[in-house]
Amino acid sequence: KQEVTQIPAALSVPEGENLVLNCSFTDSAIYNLQWFRQDPGKGLTSLLLIQSSQREQTSGRLNASLDKSSGRSTLYIAASQPGDSATYLCAVLYTGTASKLTFGTGTRLQVTL
Amino acid sequence: EAQVTQNPRYLITVTGKKLTVTCSQNMNHEYMSWYRQDPGLGLRQIYYSMNVEVTDKGDVPEGYKVSRKEKRNFPLILESPSPNQTSLYFCASSPFGVAYNEQFFGPGTRLTVL
Repeated sequence: KQEVTQIPAALSVPEGENLVLNCSFTDSAIYNLQWFRQDPGKGLTSLLLIQSSQREQTSGRLNASLDKSSGRSTLYIAASQPGDSATYLCAVLYTGTASKLTFGTGTRLQVTL
Repeated sequence: EAQVTQNPRYLITVTGKKLTVTCSQNMNHEYMSWYRQDPGLGLRQIYYSMNVEVTDKGDVPEGYKVSRKEKRNFPLILESPSPNQTSLYFCASSPFGVAYNEQFFGPGTRLTVL
């Protein structure tokens, strides 16, 4: 079964710390992997999309890496800020699944002052 | 402002009473999709549409219907809601599917079926 797992489910760090969020997937036959941010009471916001042929993508303080062979992706957040507090979700588009994304259950991040 | 809108945002209803959750996007996107989000299960896709008059089942289509008569609208219909359809629902759109394009999500509809 094609699944996506995110561990830990929750994480609390002090402001200014660099941090890494993890995402693992069960099948290396993927088309792309996407990271989203979800704020309480709001919809998801797309952060980064990595194609299967890419190793990483960067946007500002965010850097996402992809290692298909090990079935892992990491989202690196540099110099964390309280405004980064949110739930971060990764989603995988597996090859052969048309346009059906498989989502992880997310990591709830709290950045404290 | 480019956006995906959903209505209503909150809805409490009773078992068996037909309801429709509307979704509209103003970005001329070809692709639209419905998800439900439940604690511990993450987001699961209900239906998606690659274009007008083209819809396909996602992972959990049972108990739901959709239609795509116009590009901008993609309503979700629950003909006979049941308590297990209590959930947070999201509509999303993207220019041409999810292979190369990011998705834009609506704010969500919290549905409670008593």
